[in-house]
Amino acid sequence: GAGVSQTPSNKVTEKGKYVELRCDPISGHTALYWYRQSLGQGPEFLIYFQGTGAADDSGLPNDRFFAVRPEGSVSTLKIQRTERGDSAVYLCASSSLAGNEQFFGPGTRLTVL
Amino acid sequence: GIQVEQSPPDLILQEGANSTLRCNFSDSVNNLQWFHQNPWGQLINLFYIPSGTKQNGRLSATTVATERYSLLYISSSQTTDSGVYFCAGLYNFNKFYFGSGTKLNVKP
Repeated sequence: GAGVSQTPSNKVTEKGKYVELRCDPISGHTALYWYRQSLGQGPEFLIYFQGTGAADDSGLPNDRFFAVRPEGSVSTLKIQRTERGDSAVYLCASSSLAGNEQFFGPGTRLTVL
Repeated sequence: GIQVEQSPPDLILQEGANSTLRCNFSDSVNNLQWFHQNPWGQLINLFYIPSGTKQNGRLSATTVATERYSLLYISSSQTTDSGVYFCAGLYNFNKFYFGSGTKLNVKP
């Protein structure tokens, strides 16, 4: 596609539920990143994929968070047993190669009630 | 990881004024990007600048990698420049660390 797309744009869920957030990177980009942005803060790194493998998942806050990229293109961020503190904007970015210029999607705003 | 400090945190300008935003890093970074986050939350790429100076219209950026800082210059500011400006440094060729941003408000 022309840019990075993310779906849904908004997600409201109840505490304890499971959610999936999807990211479609720019076609041909091998590196894909997930970030989380809380109000008034800069984006915070969660996980980075090079191809299909998670090259660095050190930013995932706990084992309720998991991400996959099975075919090296689309990625899904999965959050189990959501908590109110998970409420934030989840941003996805891609780059042609790791460390090259990143391009961001519009984000998914997650609200956990 | 690294710490990224942006200054000032808030800035109010009259339309037409110039400004300089600064980004300091606690450790060496392999690369650096400047972004503008518009009111709808979209991060827009401004500069990808590991070192040296680049210009794009009324905006320019300078990165002095050896001294671990970067500057973003906005000249003849316009109301559409309002929003939050972020810098992000690439550490260990692996992940980008963001600052907390500079919130700019340009008044007509």
